[in-house]
Amino acid sequence: GQNIDQPTEMTATEGAIVQINCTYQTSGFNGLFWYQQHAGEAPTFLSYNVLDGLEEKGRFSSFLSRSKGYSYLLLKELQMKDSASYLCAVTGGFKTIFGAGTRLFVKA
Amino acid sequence: GAVVSQHPSWVICKSGTSVKIECRSLDFQATTMFWYRQFPKQSLMLMATSNEGSKATYEQGVEKDKFLINHASLTLSTLTVTSAHPEDSSFYICSARAQSGGVETQYFGPGTRLLVL
Repeated sequence: GQNIDQPTEMTATEGAIVQINCTYQTSGFNGLFWYQQHAGEAPTFLSYNVLDGLEEKGRFSSFLSRSKGYSYLLLKELQMKDSASYLCAVTGGFKTIFGAGTRLFVKA
Repeated sequence: GAVVSQHPSWVICKSGTSVKIECRSLDFQATTMFWYRQFPKQSLMLMATSNEGSKATYEQGVEKDKFLINHASLTLSTLTVTSAHPEDSSFYICSARAQSGGVETQYFGPGTRLLVL
């Protein structure tokens, strides 16, 4: 079967660092996406990992370990506008399967 | 990055009517587009894969006769919800894959919120 697990909710303080984990078990794997989704809006692309390791892009970094079926999204210098849902998604073949998303609340 | 548009963004209809949602790739050609549905506080659920010039591929549990998909050109896919019922009320999002900076990325339309009364 296919399964993608993320924590349901997380809370962090403005200016802090937060790590959102994602574990997956899928029948095929080409790469792993992270998306940000604000309430009532469509997801927006954050990162795409194909190879093991850490990819840094400004305040956001994404890590992948294919052997462990594990990824994380790291958000630094949190801002209030980072309050959103963060979706982990795995592509295998033609399909992209999404996790349930992690709702991040950033407090002052 | 690539742009995907959807129309309409909002639709309210009576139960039993049909609703058509358009998905367009604005600055690239998409041989394949994907249709997702999202209920409040839930994840995106893939409904079907739309292939230009051929029949769509539906996910298990999605009624192909109820959710008609047409991918008539490389830039347009349509989803028609036939005989809509209140339980079809949801957020429908299309997406397409495109190359950006040498990486194939999946881009999403802004979504269509459907409310069936």
